[in-house]
Amino acid sequence: ELKVEQNPLFLSMQEGKNYTIYCNYSTTSDRLYWYRQDPGKSLESLFVLLSNGAVKQEGRLMASLDTKARLSTLHITAAVHDLSATYFCAVDRQGGSEKLVFGKGTKLTVNP
Amino acid sequence: NAGVMQNPRHLVRRRGQEARLRCSPMKEHSHVYWYRQLPEEGLKFMVYLQKENIIDESGMPKERFSAEFPKEGPSILRIQQVVRGDSAAYFCASSSSVNTEAFFGQGTRLTVV
Repeated sequence: ELKVEQNPLFLSMQEGKNYTIYCNYSTTSDRLYWYRQDPGKSLESLFVLLSNGAVKQEGRLMASLDTKARLSTLHITAAVHDLSATYFCAVDRQGGSEKLVFGKGTKLTVNP
Repeated sequence: NAGVMQNPRHLVRRRGQEARLRCSPMKEHSHVYWYRQLPEEGLKFMVYLQKENIIDESGMPKERFSAEFPKEGPSILRIQQVVRGDSAAYFCASSSSVNTEAFFGQGTRLTVV
């Protein structure tokens, strides 16, 4: 059974600081996604990572994938308050029916 | 091209009533997925449907829950005889094929009182 673990689950940081969220998964997968969710809202797709060594960046967020270690990271650079949200990673089971297995999420609070 | 549309956005039901949640996929999308999110949790897969077919319902509770995606009209997730534990946010996602990214709707927040 595919399992996805994120850490930390809660992260409080100051504006201007850097931090990394980790996502480990237990079996081989085709794709790894990072999503952002604001309270009471839907999921906003941030990144789709398809291959080993993939790195994608958008603004202050950068995601990477190491398929051999079954690890993805979401790095936050010089955090700003607007980044406060819950971030989920999700993994698509290899050869599966597109059902995603989600981590529990990292609730990020950026303090002024 | 409108995104995935779910309605209602909020639904309140008394214990024992039925809840019907609707999902209209994006145009040209024939694959629909339903997920449930409990408070402070990630999303959990429930069911994957294509037009008129259930492809994978491994995440659906065995009783009271059913889903359909008819040839015409939206996909429906139906919960009979709701209980307090059914209170959650239910999200629908759609994709154009098996190997393409699925896009999520705004969700329906079900509260059972």
